[in-house]
Amino acid sequence: GQNIDQPTEMTATEGAIVQINCTYQTSGFNGLFWYQQHAGEAPTFLSYNVLDGLEEKGRFSSFLSRSKGYSYLLLKELQMKDSASYLCAVMDSNYQLIWGAGTKLIIKP
Amino acid sequence: GAVVSQHPSWVICKSGTSVKIECRSLDFQATTMFWYRQFPKQSLMLMATSNEGSKATYEQGVEKDKFLINHASLTLSTLTVTSAHPEDSSFYICSARAWTSGDSYEQYFGPGTRLTVT
Repeated sequence: GQNIDQPTEMTATEGAIVQINCTYQTSGFNGLFWYQQHAGEAPTFLSYNVLDGLEEKGRFSSFLSRSKGYSYLLLKELQMKDSASYLCAVMDSNYQLIWGAGTKLIIKP
Repeated sequence: GAVVSQHPSWVICKSGTSVKIECRSLDFQATTMFWYRQFPKQSLMLMATSNEGSKATYEQGVEKDKFLINHASLTLSTLTVTSAHPEDSSFYICSARAWTSGDSYEQYFGPGTRLTVT
């Protein structure tokens, strides 16, 4: 079956760095997405990786290793507004998104 | 960036009635639209995929006669929850995908519709 694993919850301090891991097993691979979702709101796009390596976009970076079925989202200089759920999703061979359960990130002052 | 709107943003209805939710792509043509449902503290659950001009493809366990999807144009898809019951209360989110050369695979999400059935 298809499976996306990510930690349920993480806590970090304002100004610090946090890494949210995601491992996946899917039928085919057409890219991995990270989305941010604040409570009661729809997800917003953060990043897309289809090749191995690190993609940097401001305070957020996303890494992919296809051979290991592994990705991480790195958030630097954490701000209180970064408190949200972070969803990892993989596009499978049918171009369907397979979603992880999300990681709730709690930022403390 | 691409914008997707949903209407209404929230709705309360009585058990047994039907509710229609609209999803519109405002500045692009969406060849494919997706409907998701999300219960509190859970991840997104794909309900169905619709392509313009053809019947929607429903995920296993989703009743197609209860959740009617119409994708009549490249900018509009509707989800109708028929004979709603309290267990249908949820956050319904649509997303749209446009096949462009730049970012062919990105899905753009609407703001969601919170449905409460009393």
